Amino acid sequence: DIQMTQSPSSLSASVGDRVTITCRASQSIRTYLNWYQQKPGKAPELLIYAAAILQGGVPSRFSGGGSGTDFTLTISSLQPEDFATYYCQQTYSIPEDFGGGTRVEVK
Amino acid sequence: QITLKESGPTLVKPTQTLTLTCTFSGSSLSTGGVGVGWVRQTPGKALEWLAVIYWDGNKRYRPSLKSRLSITKDTSKNQVVLTLANMDPVDTATYYCVHRPGGSSPRFDFWGQGTLVTVSS
Repeated sequence: DIQMTQSPSSLSASVGDRVTITCRASQSIRTYLNWYQQKPGKAPELLIYAAAILQGGVPSRFSGGGSGTDFTLTISSLQPEDFATYYCQQTYSIPEDFGGGTRVEVK
Repeated sequence: QITLKESGPTLVKPTQTLTLTCTFSGSSLSTGGVGVGWVRQTPGKALEWLAVIYWDGNKRYRPSLKSRLSITKDTSKNQVVLTLANMDPVDTATYYCVHRPGGSSPRFDFWGQGTLVTVSS
């Protein structure tokens, strides 16, 4: 199985901050990498797929990058509604597992 | 807009078989490339991919659970059923039904609200 490791596991930030979350795969997954946002009590929602493609309706302050084993999710200017937990997922091979999550909290 | 909703028991006893139904709308498993699957989330918040069934009947299972899992579809009813045999307390989780669109970029673009299943005697 491919292991997905996110860092940090949590971070504290303020509205307006630029935030970057990292996801590392245990082997190359090319660009088969998705990012999801989950708010408390809700299901995850797709933000970015194929490492860098923004899902329809997602604000442009979210961006994704990377290929191979190292990927990033960046929020250019953190908004109040962005405080949530973020998960990466690889879809290169079965099982299409997720990272452990990064919780973005209010500083 | 695609919507999915999970239904099934909220409490099962150890060794029993869990059966969950996903009823969805706004998409069809007769459309090329489309898949519907299941992801679960443990109380500790880890997400775990379980299984996907595709429009053409192909199925993919989590290898470590393959002997216990089964996924089937009823295309005419827009339903997908997941069964997980020999339930154990470690299977306590919120189970989500998820939609996979066609195309070359696999992803889950819509999720159900989730259903919490507790395994306890």
